[in-house]
Amino acid sequence: DVKVTQSSRYLVKRTGEKVFLECVQDMDHENMFWYRQDPGLGLRLIYFSYDVKMKEKGDIPEGYSVSREKKERFSLILESASTNQTSMYLCASSPEGADGELFFGEGSRLTVL
Amino acid sequence: QKEVEQNSGPLSVPEGAIASLNCTYSDRGSQSFFWYRQYSGKSPELIMFIYSNGDKEDGRFTAQLNKASQYVSLLIRDSQPSDSATYLCAGTSLDDYKLSFGAGTTVTVRA
Repeated sequence: DVKVTQSSRYLVKRTGEKVFLECVQDMDHENMFWYRQDPGLGLRLIYFSYDVKMKEKGDIPEGYSVSREKKERFSLILESASTNQTSMYLCASSPEGADGELFFGEGSRLTVL
Repeated sequence: QKEVEQNSGPLSVPEGAIASLNCTYSDRGSQSFFWYRQYSGKSPELIMFIYSNGDKEDGRFTAQLNKASQYVSLLIRDSQPSDSATYLCAGTSLDDYKLSFGAGTTVTVRA
């Protein structure tokens, strides 16, 4: 089975802190994604990557950056956390050519105070 | 930006009934559609995908796609309490492989 592991299930940070969310997948998938999920808004794509060292902006990239130094690892960075970034963050991966067939991690619930 | 909209719900059905979930999309270029199920407190999991007009059946689930009318639906036959979850509709297009998700429809199956 595909496993997508997110480093932290729950985080509490203060406004202005730098936040790192780590995601690792073990099935050699080319594609990796970061979404945030908020009630009533569904899943919104923040960034995605189709290859190592490659990144593309999603629909809501402002305030976020990403890093993909190795194929299996995709990190989401909040340079200066703000309260409106309080959310559930979901990492996902998919095989090449199967962009819609996502395998999700367990999620990281971030609270910014 | 593509938009995918789902009937708002929540949807409550008795055990054994058919649950019908609908989804419409605004981008005529959308080609592929996916249904994800998300249990409370869990992450989404893919249950169905459909690329062609018509029906696609998988066990108790049937996905329907009508590209002319720009809607996609999911039928759950013989609904079980274990089907109680939020169902997310998502679509992609040929020129933009990113998935766009609807907000989800919460289904409760009453025993």
